[in-house]
Amino acid sequence: GGIITQTPKFLIGQEGQKLTLKCQQNFNHDTMYWYRQDSGKGLRLIYYSITENDLQKGDLSEGYDASREKKSSFSLTVTSAQKNEMAVFLCASSPGTGQDTQYFGPGTRLLVL
Amino acid sequence: GNSVTQMQGQVTLSEEEFLFINCTYSTTGYPTLFWYVQYPGEGPQLLLKVTTANNKGSSRGFEATYDKGTTSFHLQKASVQESDSAVYYCVLGDAGSWQLIFGSGTQLTVMP
Repeated sequence: GGIITQTPKFLIGQEGQKLTLKCQQNFNHDTMYWYRQDSGKGLRLIYYSITENDLQKGDLSEGYDASREKKSSFSLTVTSAQKNEMAVFLCASSPGTGQDTQYFGPGTRLLVL
Repeated sequence: GNSVTQMQGQVTLSEEEFLFINCTYSTTGYPTLFWYVQYPGEGPQLLLKVTTANNKGSSRGFEATYDKGTTSFHLQKASVQESDSAVYYCVLGDAGSWQLIFGSGTQLTVMP
């Protein structure tokens, strides 16, 4: 088994601020993902990475940067927080392709004042 | 492109009632289909997974059958419990892509 750790659990930011979210996995999985979940809605893919130092844009990448410095970690940066923004950011990992199960972390809850 | 449709945004049942959550999909390939469940304050977790090799999956009393003719992957449970209250996502995966396609989710509330 393994675990995905996301830090911080809660993040309160100011409009225009750059905010960084971190994700660590000990599954030794190759592929990692960042999703955004808005209240009452499904998951939308922001970025994914199929190996260390690889980055692939998802449907929602505008306004975000990502970094995969090593196999076990994947960071997401909100480049300029939007006023009144409220969402949950979920990190996931999987052994490989879309046929494989993705394992999710508990999420980082963002509120922008 | 690939897509998943869940028409039921909310389902409310009493304990021991039968659950049916509708899911249809669209794809040109041979997908793997998943149901994920998300409890409050947690990330989604796998409930069950079905590939083209085995057209039915089950877990914890839940069942789903992969019907290529109607392109459906409905979730069923004979008798729900209050602890089943959660959001259920129908999800499509494709061997040719690293991405999963999530449906919009169905909030299940089970009253005691």
